[in-house]
Amino acid sequence: QSVLTQPPSVSAAAGQKVTISCSGSSSNIGNNYVSWYQQLPGTAPKLLIYDNDKRPSGIPDRFSGSKSGTSATLGITGLQTGDEADYYCGTWDDSLGGHYVFGSGTKVTVL
Amino acid sequence: EVQLVESGGGLVQPGGSLRLSCGASGFAFRSYWMSWVRQAPGKGLEWVANINEDGRAIYYLGSVKGRFTISRDNAKNSLFLQMNSLRAEDTAKYSCTRDVQGRYKYHFEKWGQGTLVTVSS
Repeated sequence: QSVLTQPPSVSAAAGQKVTISCSGSSSNIGNNYVSWYQQLPGTAPKLLIYDNDKRPSGIPDRFSGSKSGTSATLGITGLQTGDEADYYCGTWDDSLGGHYVFGSGTKVTVL
Repeated sequence: EVQLVESGGGLVQPGGSLRLSCGASGFAFRSYWMSWVRQAPGKGLEWVANINEDGRAIYYLGSVKGRFTISRDNAKNSLFLQMNSLRAEDTAKYSCTRDVQGRYKYHFEKWGQGTLVTVSS
């Protein structure tokens, strides 16, 4: 069972918007920056969002991140078929001497 | 171009050992924190261990502490994971990552393709 809770799946029609929630606690999201990773089928994960809301070079602004308290959210607008993937949130957790934790992952389906 | 290439995976019996390697190129390896992250077949991502630039700061996932050892050789641009007392639940693809670490921040900037470890009799 993951320390960070994400919905197993979300879906929307092409061109629409989806949001993915990531819920944690004071020892992880509440005290540290959140990052998001996209894993397309059969490929290695890719950094999508870091420091809660920053996009690496090459990531389109259709992807956005935010954080409030002990929760974070990934938003994807203008949904495309190429966005079908698994999405994971992650952050450092200060408990138990320190370790990194990932969310359980969310499968995005474009209808 | 940043490249991370893992090797050393394979089939091993429960209780056995395996040593994974990750060769890095295209960046100043000695200047980065590095991690091993694994993904069991059909499952999510799980961080395993990380190591700072000079190897003096190391953290482990609780379930591998005492069994796995992460290390690095900055002269050879290489990251390692020595895995002992392997269990069936350690079966996964193991990937090395180049990390960004700072005050209240940690994320995985670059990922390798991974090497598969299967623990089975």
